[in-house]
Order: sequence, then C-alpha cells, then structure tokens
Amino acid sequence: SQELEQSPQSLIVQEGKNLTINCTSSKTLYGLYWYKQKYGEGLIFLMMLQKGGEEKSHEKITAKLDEKKQQSSLHITASQPSHAGIYLCGADETQGGSEKLVFGKGTKLTVNP
Amino acid sequence: KAGVTQTPRYLIKTRGQQVTLSCSPISGHRSVSWYQQTPGQGLQFLFEYFSETQRNKGNFPGRFSGRQFSNSRSEMNVSTLELGDSALYLCASSLVMPGWGDGYTFGSGTRLTVV
Repeated sequence: SQELEQSPQSLIVQEGKNLTINCTSSKTLYGLYWYKQKYGEGLIFLMMLQKGGEEKSHEKITAKLDEKKQQSSLHITASQPSHAGIYLCGADETQGGSEKLVFGKGTKLTVNP
Repeated sequence: KAGVTQTPRYLIKTRGQQVTLSCSPISGHRSVSWYQQTPGQGLQFLFEYFSETQRNKGNFPGRFSGRQFSNSRSEMNVSTLELGDSALYLCASSLVMPGWGDGYTFGSGTRLTVV
C-alpha cells in the first residue's frame, strides 16, 4: 500500500519567514491533498493537486505536485501566527473500486510572533 | 452550506462498553468515510459508505462497524472498547466518489476516551 513521508516532522519559524513542507510518496501520486489541522480538531481542506507539475496558490500558501519525483511541496510565504497548526498531506489510493485517503504523519508548524 | 457534523464532540467510556458515533455529511454528498487519528499511528482509514453500502474497509478488527442511512447520515460503532481505541474519530464526506469534486470535507471529529 502507499506510504507518505512528510518532512520535517516539526518546524518552528519566526513570523514573517518563508517555509516549505515536503510530502514524498512510495508510489506515483495521482491525487494529492493538503490539509491543515488545529490540535484536536477536524481537517481544513487547503488544496488538491492532480496533474504532474500542477501548482496552486491560496493567499500565502502554494502547493506543487512533482509527479516524476512522487513528491509534493507546500510553501508558506511571510508566515503568520494564524498559519500555526499541523499540516497533513493525503493521497488517493484506489482499492476495490473505491477510493480512500492515506495520510502522512503530519508536520507541526509553530510560528513565533 | 452547512459542513460535516459529527456528534458527540467528546465521549468518555469504560473498557468493555460500546459506543456509537454519528456523522451527517454535507447536503447532497453521498459518500461518507471514517478515519481514526492517534498520536502513534496518525490518520488511518476505517471504512467508506456510499448509498448505504460499505464500499471499502481498512485494517481494523470486527469490533469496528458502521452503517449509512438513506439520507446519507452515517454511524460507526465500536463494541467491547479497549484502551487503545482512545482516539479522534473523523468523518469525511464527498459528492459521489472520494477525490471528485472539491475533495473530501472533514467534520470536527469525536474525541473518544476509554478509561
């Protein structure tokens, strides 16, 4: 089955700094999702990437899917305390005609004012 | 539009008891998936329902079961609770097939503590 490895596991940055989180898959990625989670709460959908080389941006967050490298990156520009949380990447895995998401372990982001 | 609603938000149960969690998907969404999140294992897929049929199941013991009603609302049940079942249980809804449309929308989760 597919496995996703996220790096780094945790990240502490000063407000205003840029940062990048990586997600590497053991198999080719056909659908890659990025979610944000505040501790103990649900997952907030950020972006979905489907095509190799695809890049999407929302406010100060940009995500890119590099299909050849089986990797996706999430970049935050000029980080703010509101960006703090756990970032999770998830990949579509087809099983028995149905799909499910497999997730990475998450990257915990702390933004210090 | 209203989001995915999970009830209750918090639960404390004793070992050996059983528990039922509820999930109401976004109106019009017909697929409901359940996930278990623990610090050690992260997010793991439990099962997925579509039109009252279980289409997919993860690697969990038979103590974990679920169902979906005609209005797409779903319940999951855990019988004979163990301490290791303590976790955040999340449900996600999607339009037809997970991955279509705007992806999966998750609820706020039910925090289950087994003592």
